[in-house]
Amino acid sequence: EAGVTQFPSHSVIEKGQTVTLRCDPISGHDNLYWYRRVMGKEIKFLLHFVKESKQDESGMPNNRFLAERTGGTYSTLKVQPAELEDSGVYFCASSQTTDQPQHFGDGTRLSIL
Amino acid sequence: GDSVTQMEGPVTLSEEAFLTINCTYTATGYPSLFWYVQYPGEGLQLLLKATKADDKGSNKGFEATYRKETTSFHLEKGSVQVSDSAVYFCALRSKTSYDKVIFGPGTSLSVIP
Repeated sequence: EAGVTQFPSHSVIEKGQTVTLRCDPISGHDNLYWYRRVMGKEIKFLLHFVKESKQDESGMPNNRFLAERTGGTYSTLKVQPAELEDSGVYFCASSQTTDQPQHFGDGTRLSIL
Repeated sequence: GDSVTQMEGPVTLSEEAFLTINCTYTATGYPSLFWYVQYPGEGLQLLLKATKADDKGSNKGFEATYRKETTSFHLEKGSVQVSDSAVYFCALRSKTSYDKVIFGPGTSLSVIP
């Protein structure tokens, strides 16, 4: 069984540009989550999809971040325009139900210059 | 709100030393507790979990016991190896945060030969 896949593994962009991160969950997992770790601090929740619907987006920091999951399969997280404080590692996770452990991807390291 | 506190380190140990990483939590009710590990260059992996009081999670020689009375979930290993060098995250998921995992800040462990 393939795990959670994230692309790219590393992205370096300049302040003001746009970046789109992609996450492919484990096949059959309806629940998809985005988290991020900035400045070596705690890993913090961003949002949760159930299939294509946003179940909880309370962790999204501001309206520069847009997450989508069209068709309920893969998800994208777009940052537009990127700011310096957005640098960090963005993790995606998936689970079959909310009761089961979440399986994480390797993360995307985002560097804003 | 729900939160997790853990010793931040970094922790440096010699091979075959005993490891303890302290973790305490604040949550309503009876949360599920987890330890995740991130090896260098890799993603987050679930190391072990416990879902109710007095449960002991174990994996790869690591153990942690769910202590409701002290709200703790300390990670222990009797004899560490160089390959255990990684960042360890204590985490919880509770009824009030059922869809998100709440992480501690992570503890960096280096094991030297």
